[in-house]
Amino acid sequence: EPEVTQTPSHQVTQMGQEVILRCVPISNHLYFYWYRQILGQKVEFLVSFYNNEISEKSEIFDDQFSVERPDGSNFTLKIRSTKLEDSAMYFCASSLDRSSKEQYFGPGTRLTVT
Amino acid sequence: AQKVTQAQTEISVVEKEDVTLDCVYETRDTTYYLFWYKQPPSGELVFLIRRNSFDEQNEISGRYSWNFQKSTSSFNFTITASQVVDSAVYFCALSEAGGNTPLVFGKGTRLSVIA
Repeated sequence: EPEVTQTPSHQVTQMGQEVILRCVPISNHLYFYWYRQILGQKVEFLVSFYNNEISEKSEIFDDQFSVERPDGSNFTLKIRSTKLEDSAMYFCASSLDRSSKEQYFGPGTRLTVT
Repeated sequence: AQKVTQAQTEISVVEKEDVTLDCVYETRDTTYYLFWYKQPPSGELVFLIRRNSFDEQNEISGRYSWNFQKSTSSFNFTITASQVVDSAVYFCALSEAGGNTPLVFGKGTRLSVIA
């Protein structure tokens, strides 16, 4: 069964460093998302992406964040200058089309900022 | 604004007991979708069910059942004859209809099933 994959599974970085989290959505899906979950808290929406542009973003998704689909398969989240409070689990998700409401989540990348 | 409330932070049951996880939602939309996800200790989010606002039929899938009550804005989840493998955090989520609208999650309910 097709699945969303994410790399790395765990990333440790120092405050102020740039990180890129990678996702490979399910191949025929058209909508892509990033969510984050601070340890022990709820899952929060960051950004959605369709047709090579951002569709919607939350107030968490400030200028430090950017997303890109550099090729036909990868979907990346970049954090330009990490802060301690960026430490969280980051989930990528994808869905097939406008009529399909199931968002399939990847296994997550745990980001630890020291 | 949309909101999902899961009032039960943690529930602990003994194996084979039935358990119901509560979910109450708020939305101004007449068309919306409700979801349940399971997050086991390994951390991934596992999709369990989607329900749209026009379909109030209850659903049963094995030991899992869902009770959607539009009148009370609730979408409760029952596990019958719970097993240790059911131990996880369960999230209820809501999205508006149309386009690729984001999911709004509740804070989750941590279920511990004790052998």
